[in-house]
Amino acid sequence: DAKTTQPTSMDCAEGRAANLPCNHSTISGNEYVYWYRQIHSQGPQYIIHGLKNNETNEMASLIITEDRKSSTLILPHATLRDTAVYYCIVRVANQAGTALIFGKGTTLSVSS
Amino acid sequence: DVKVTQSSRYLVKRTGEKVFLECVQDMDHENMFWYRQDPGLGLRLIYFSYDVKMKEKGDIPEGYSVSREKKERFSLILESASTNQTSMYLCASSRDGMGSYEQYFGPGTRLTVT
Repeated sequence: DAKTTQPTSMDCAEGRAANLPCNHSTISGNEYVYWYRQIHSQGPQYIIHGLKNNETNEMASLIITEDRKSSTLILPHATLRDTAVYYCIVRVANQAGTALIFGKGTTLSVSS
Repeated sequence: DVKVTQSSRYLVKRTGEKVFLECVQDMDHENMFWYRQDPGLGLRLIYFSYDVKMKEKGDIPEGYSVSREKKERFSLILESASTNQTSMYLCASSRDGMGSYEQYFGPGTRLTVT
């Protein structure tokens, strides 16, 4: 699986958009970009994933550059409950039983 | 709403005890996983199972065993608990088949071995 690079930490004001970047310059053509987050003392939570098109769901939007070497997770109106560690993961489509590899992620702090 | 539950949120055991951590999922998923999470080391895979009675070792299986007698339940067993097994244990499940997929995690069990 390709390696990802994320900033260690970011701050965001409540109600503003949080834009979390991820670099994955060695991504292969069949690898997806996944985003998870982990709120303190809880298990990781799936947010969104994409291959090459931009994606949106009720939680967030995912913008993938045309060359697929980087992506941005957007939380459109951050709340205090969005304070968490956000993980960007790239991996191939399902291979039975293969584990997710979590890096250090980005610690997002949302303040009022 | 998808759900993965773990038997305990917090557990304190003594060195040498046999410890059972239980995980149940209600999504009829084929794959189930046990990870441990430690500060600075991220999540590490202990064991996974892709079907009933099937299991595969992950990256750090030493000192652990697993059991999957029913599709919805995956148990992690610490045969003789040691202090270096103090950690957060996370269970996850996912569906099988081709195409993209996501893993759903339980809330975690924070185990302390004294």
